[in-house]
Amino acid sequence: EAQVTQNPRYLITVTGKKLTVTCSQNMNHEYMSWYRQDPGLGLRQIYYSMNVEVTDKGDVPEGYKVSRKEKRNFPLILESPSPNQTSLYFCASSYVTGGNEQYFGPGTRLTVT
Amino acid sequence: KQEVTQIPAALSVPEGENLVLNCSFTDSAIYNLQWFRQDPGKGLTSLLLIQSSQREQTSGRLNASLDKSSGRSTLYIAASQPGDSATYLCAFPDNYGQNFVFGPGTRLSVLP
Repeated sequence: EAQVTQNPRYLITVTGKKLTVTCSQNMNHEYMSWYRQDPGLGLRQIYYSMNVEVTDKGDVPEGYKVSRKEKRNFPLILESPSPNQTSLYFCASSYVTGGNEQYFGPGTRLTVT
Repeated sequence: KQEVTQIPAALSVPEGENLVLNCSFTDSAIYNLQWFRQDPGKGLTSLLLIQSSQREQTSGRLNASLDKSSGRSTLYIAASQPGDSATYLCAFPDNYGQNFVFGPGTRLSVLP
């Protein structure tokens, strides 16, 4: 089954404790992206990757890192999480660029206390 | 930078009604436009993708149109059902297809 998976689905952590949210797709997609969704602010893009070893900032990249060492994986790293990063996070992928149909993961609900 | 609006922000209708959701954007140079559905606390489900060369797409009771020159897309839902209750978002690639921009969404409630 074609899908985008994220882990963990729910995470509660404390300020400053490094964490990684994993994202994996099995569709051989080149383009992958991370978003956060907040009430009243909608969905905003954090980082995206056009292909392996190619990443770029989206609209809200501060406080996040990403890597794309393999085509299928695109982890989101929070080196020192802060409470303002409490949010619902989505990973997405598409065949080539963002111009193709995007497929979304189920989301990761992160709470930073 | 693109500005995207969706009107109405919320809509409540009785079951069986036909309805139209609107998405407006400021820059007509878009590659395509995608409509999504999101259930509360859940992920996004793709409904329809309209390429820039197309004017509309249909899937079941859903029909989406795209008018790039006027900066508008509409999602038409025929014979609405309670199961259609969700938030509907429009989205499209910006910045030469690299960034992806979302509208704020329309929250739809279909009452039995």
